[in-house]
Parts: sequence; C-alpha cells; structure tokens
Amino acid sequence: DTAVSQTPKYLVTQMGNDKSIKCEQNLGHDTMYWYKQDSKKFLKIMFSYNNKELIINETVPNRFSPKSPDKAHLNLHINSLELGDSAVYFCASSPLAGISGELFFGEGSRLTVL
Amino acid sequence: GNSVTQMEGPVTLSEEAFLTINCTYTATGYPSLFWYVQYPGEGLQLLLKATKADDKGSNKGFEATYRKETTSFHLEKGSVQVSDSAVYFCALSGNTPLVFGKGTRLSVIA
Repeated sequence: DTAVSQTPKYLVTQMGNDKSIKCEQNLGHDTMYWYKQDSKKFLKIMFSYNNKELIINETVPNRFSPKSPDKAHLNLHINSLELGDSAVYFCASSPLAGISGELFFGEGSRLTVL
Repeated sequence: GNSVTQMEGPVTLSEEAFLTINCTYTATGYPSLFWYVQYPGEGLQLLLKATKADDKGSNKGFEATYRKETTSFHLEKGSVQVSDSAVYFCALSGNTPLVFGKGTRLSVIA
C-alpha cells in the first residue's frame, strides 16, 4: 500500500491550459508539502500545509494554488501553464511540521508543457 | 539563511570502489542533517540522518558523521554496487522544512 501517492504520474499539456495534480498520504501525518524538481534535479519547496492550514508559501507565482480538503490530501492546481512550469512535482508528508526533517515522498508527477 | 552545498556530479565509479560525496552546510542553531537518495524514476527516500554533533548516521553500508567544527556531513561507502546508482541529496532541517543540496548523481559501472 503506497504511503504517499500522486496522480497523475505523467502530464503533457499545452501552454495556457489549467491542470491539477493530486496527492494523498495514508501515514496519518499532519504536514504535507509540494516540492518542484527542475531538469537539473534541484529541489525547491513550494508549499507546506499543517493539518489543512497553509504554513509555508514560498515565492511561487499566483498561478499555483494548493488545496488541502483534509490532512491526508494536498492537491496542486496550476492555471495558465507556461513552458517554465515543466518539472517534476513531488508531494511529501511528515509527522511534524517540518522540524523532524524526515519527509516521505511520493513518486513524483512529471509535467511537460508544450 | 540555511543552505547546503554538495559536490557537483556526476560521479562515476567502478563496482567495489570507495565513495565519498562531500556536503557542507550553513545554518543558524543546531540543525539535523540528512542524506536522501533518489533512484531512477522514483521519489526521494531517506538514507540516513544525524541529529546532533558527532552523531554518525548509517544505513545500507553508507555512513555520514555530523561534524560541527567543519560544518560537514560527507557521505561515504566502502564498496559501491551497481544498485547504488542514483542521485544523492544532502539536506538540513533547522526551524524550517528541509533545505536540499543540488544533488550528486552517482553511476556505478560493473
């Protein structure tokens, strides 16, 4: 049973479209995250939610909007997609609000914008 | 702010060679330090961690020692295998979520 699962795994779309990536964790963790990994493998945090409440919102364009309907789910919606949004997006969870540092990652969602 | 610097890759080694991947950090306070590994097509998974100075984290033959005096957390393995081919990330956690280094790609050839 996958601990942190993301869908879809691959997403190919045209510039200007709107798309969503879903994430679910069955670990009972309170905190969830979205990270972006660029083509050079650099990982950068985008958002963090603790028990459905936004606690970290890094410098990310307003076109990116996270939504957490409950503490087991954190979805990412992206409006008006641009070429530079092409990346692998990783969802992660942790038992505490990031302090412990041990994150559990999903397998990633590779977004390609044409 | 907190930051992590790790050696540029890629690193290519023959099977059974000794591995060192350097990692240094800048942080306020007393961060915890981590190594994560990303196998091809997968998400990151925790390899080992150390939460205070002089702690040694170890797992699957990999080791790293938290050196406060040199602000380092170098990853070592005495004898690498082809299955160790992956991208390795050094990371730190203080009073903020994990900050990652840029990753080092390791390729081990038979």
